[in-house]
Amino acid sequence: GAVVSQHPSRVICKSGTSVKIECRSLDFQATTMFWYRQFPKQSLMLMATSNEGSKATYEQGVEKDKFLINHASLTLSTLTVTSAHPEDSSFYICSATGQGGNQPQHFGDGTRLSIL
Amino acid sequence: AQKITQTQPGMFVQEKEAVTLDCTYDTSDQSYGLFWYKQPSSGEMIFLIYQGSYDEQNATEGRYSLNFQKARKSANLVISASQLGDSAMYFCAMREANSGTYKYIFGTGTRLKVLA
Repeated sequence: GAVVSQHPSRVICKSGTSVKIECRSLDFQATTMFWYRQFPKQSLMLMATSNEGSKATYEQGVEKDKFLINHASLTLSTLTVTSAHPEDSSFYICSATGQGGNQPQHFGDGTRLSIL
Repeated sequence: AQKITQTQPGMFVQEKEAVTLDCTYDTSDQSYGLFWYKQPSSGEMIFLIYQGSYDEQNATEGRYSLNFQKARKSANLVISASQLGDSAMYFCAMREANSGTYKYIFGTGTRLKVLA
């Protein structure tokens, strides 16, 4: 099956640090990648959709300058949380789909971000 | 208005029994996809089953089946012969077209607890 690798799985850092999270599709070409944020005991909240080679489409209320997304290749997308603050602490999870509308999303294992 | 509605925040089922998790959706698209995902306490999202809007047969994958009732806009997940390892959060999701690409909308989830 399709595998998506997300790294790191856990980050603990000081306030003001920028944190980069990588999302890689290991055995398929991901034309579209999605970044979600999940608060405890809540559903996944879509932050942005990124297509390879183009700018990410952000959901309403998500700060573009705060959450920088790069999708430079068909197998890699990165999310950078810039100048992170405690309120940015959350579970971030990426997913990827191949070509074709009926493709399910394949998720990475998520990154638990804790800002002190 | 909610596009994906999961009305059961929590469910209990006895081991080896079957359980149905409810999901209703709202869309004006003719072509859409419905997905179910399982999220154990470890956080990863596991794809379970997919139903396309044009599929005439209900989808089945092992112990999972999807009871698709298009006129009622419902896509309930049925888990047969429940196992202790089925205890997790379950999310229903809908894929809909979004400006030339696709977007996935998640329900609020149902926490399933399988009792020994």
